[in-house]
Amino acid sequence: GDSVTQMEGPVTLSEEAFLTINCTYTATGYPSLFWYVQYPGEGLQLLLKATKADDKGSNKGFEATYRKETTSFHLEKGSVQVSDSAVYFCALSEWTGNQFYFGTGTSLTVIP
Amino acid sequence: DVKVTQSSRYLVKRTGEKVFLECVQDMDHENMFWYRQDPGLGLRLIYFSYDVKMKEKGDIPEGYSVSREKKERFSLILESASTNQTSMYLCASSLGRRDTDTQYFGPGTRLTVL
Repeated sequence: GDSVTQMEGPVTLSEEAFLTINCTYTATGYPSLFWYVQYPGEGLQLLLKATKADDKGSNKGFEATYRKETTSFHLEKGSVQVSDSAVYFCALSEWTGNQFYFGTGTSLTVIP
Repeated sequence: DVKVTQSSRYLVKRTGEKVFLECVQDMDHENMFWYRQDPGLGLRLIYFSYDVKMKEKGDIPEGYSVSREKKERFSLILESASTNQTSMYLCASSLGRRDTDTQYFGPGTRLTVL
């Protein structure tokens, strides 16, 4: 069945460091891929998405490229800020029905 | 702006009580979803609905039921709460059934069952 695997956290970085959070997926077809962010005490917010191979999603300095050949959708940011401290979830949606499969989440803490 | 609201941010109930969690969306979305979020397990789908009065089981429906009498409202019901249902509950909605459609989430309800 469909699934998403994320790198385990927690991740702690200094401000202005480079961020990579790895995400790989298993799917039978050609899913859409999403990154959501959850700030402390809040629900999930869409960060970015990509709906076909080689698409790049981007938002707020974050980027992720849909790599079909490696079944990956790694999240990157060139220079993190303290305000980026949150939990990040990778997710996929395949076929009709809009059912999502989420990874377990990666907690990021950015220290000044 | 998209808005999904949940009736309570925090809830404390006793074992055996009947618990209602309410979710309302104001975007005229067709689909609504209930998830529970637990550390190390991510989000797991409990129930979802594609239309009024329609419901489908997700991955972990045992111990839960749902009701969707109006398009904008989707209720999760714990018929007899148990301590293993202590969790964060998240509601989401989406416009259509395409895999490209974004799901929009409410702020969550943290339920503690004593």
